[in-house]
Parts: sequence; structure tokens; C-alpha cells
Amino acid sequence: GNSVTQMEGPVTLSEEAFLTINCTYTATGYPSLFWYVQYPGEGLQLLLKATKADDKGSNKGFEATYRKETTSFHLEKGSVQVSDSAVYFCALSDRNEKLTFGTGTRLTIIP
Amino acid sequence: GAVVSQHPSWVICKSGTSVKIECRSLDFQATTMFWYRQFPKQSLMLMATSNEGSKATYEQGVEKDKFLINHASLTLSTLTVTSAHPEDSSFYICSARADNNQPQHFGDGTRLSIL
Repeated sequence: GNSVTQMEGPVTLSEEAFLTINCTYTATGYPSLFWYVQYPGEGLQLLLKATKADDKGSNKGFEATYRKETTSFHLEKGSVQVSDSAVYFCALSDRNEKLTFGTGTRLTIIP
Repeated sequence: GAVVSQHPSWVICKSGTSVKIECRSLDFQATTMFWYRQFPKQSLMLMATSNEGSKATYEQGVEKDKFLINHASLTLSTLTVTSAHPEDSSFYICSARADNNQPQHFGDGTRLSIL
């Protein structure tokens, strides 16, 4: 079956530091890949997505590239802010369009 | 656009009562809605998928008689937790999708606490 493996947290960084959250996946066929962000007490918001190999999703300074050869979709941001503190979920969807989520990575940015 | 509203956001009730959670798509018609459950510091687990006018499809291990799902219109789905017990306490999140080519849009979740 499908699965998503995410870098375990929590991750704590200083403001303006470089961020990488690793994500690898296992799926049959060619899934679409997503990063969702969850702020405290809220539901999930779609941060970015990529639907085919070598696509790069980007939003709010975050980027992730769909790497088929390494089955990865790592999330990166060059300079994080305190407001980026949240839980980040990597996810994939297959032909059934069901989402399979990773376990989430809690990110805390300190001023 | 693509706003999903979930109500209530927080509910506390006594063991044995039933609790209904509503999920509404405010500015689009949702042919499919999904219900998830999230335990503290864990990921979202899909409970069921519901298509408007059809019976919900439940994931393995989810009790159909315990978690009643109704998707009577293109903008509303409800999840009723029947005879709730403390082990049902969790964060429940719904999502809605206009069609298979569109992403899921999530509600803000409902924190359910059973005393």
C-alpha cells in the first residue's frame, strides 16, 4: 500500500535559519504529492503540491521538488520566520484520490 | 475561495450521549467529503469517504454504526458519534472536494472531549 515517511520532529530553529523537512514515499504508479500545514487548533491548509516528476511546488517561500528517482518530496525554506511555527504534513494521493499522510513534523521557530 | 466550515469547533459531553459534527463547503459544491480523526501529536487517519447522495465508504476498522455519516447535499456532510465514550475523544477533521481533479480543502476541525 501507499505510505509516507516524514522526518521526525520536533524541529527547533532560529529565525532566518534554513529549513529542510525530509519526506519520502512509497506508492504504486505516479501519485500527486502535497505539503500541508496545521497551525495550533486549526485544520490543515494546503501549502504546496506537485503532480508529476520534476515538478516544483512553491508557496510563501517554501519549495519542494517531486523526485521520482529518490521517491522524495523534501520541504525547504531559505529563511524561516516565527510565524512558520506549525506542524507540517507530507501527503500523497493516488488514483483513488485518497490522501495518505505522514506523521507530521512540528516546527518551532525561536526569535 | 474554497472555504470549508466545521461546527462546532469544540464540544464536551457526557459519556453515552451522541454528538453531531457538521461540515459545510461555503463557496463550492462538494461532491465528495472526507472525515479524518487525529490523535494528539499524530497524523490524520481517514475514517470514511462520502459522496453526495450515496452511502459513505468506511475505512477498515472504523465502526459504521458508531460513526454515522450523512452527505445529503452538495454543501453539507455530518458525522454523528453515537453513544460516545471517553475513547472517542479526539480531533475530528473534515475535508471537501469539488471533483476528482480538485484538491481537498479542510475544515478547522472539531475537538471532541467525552467525560
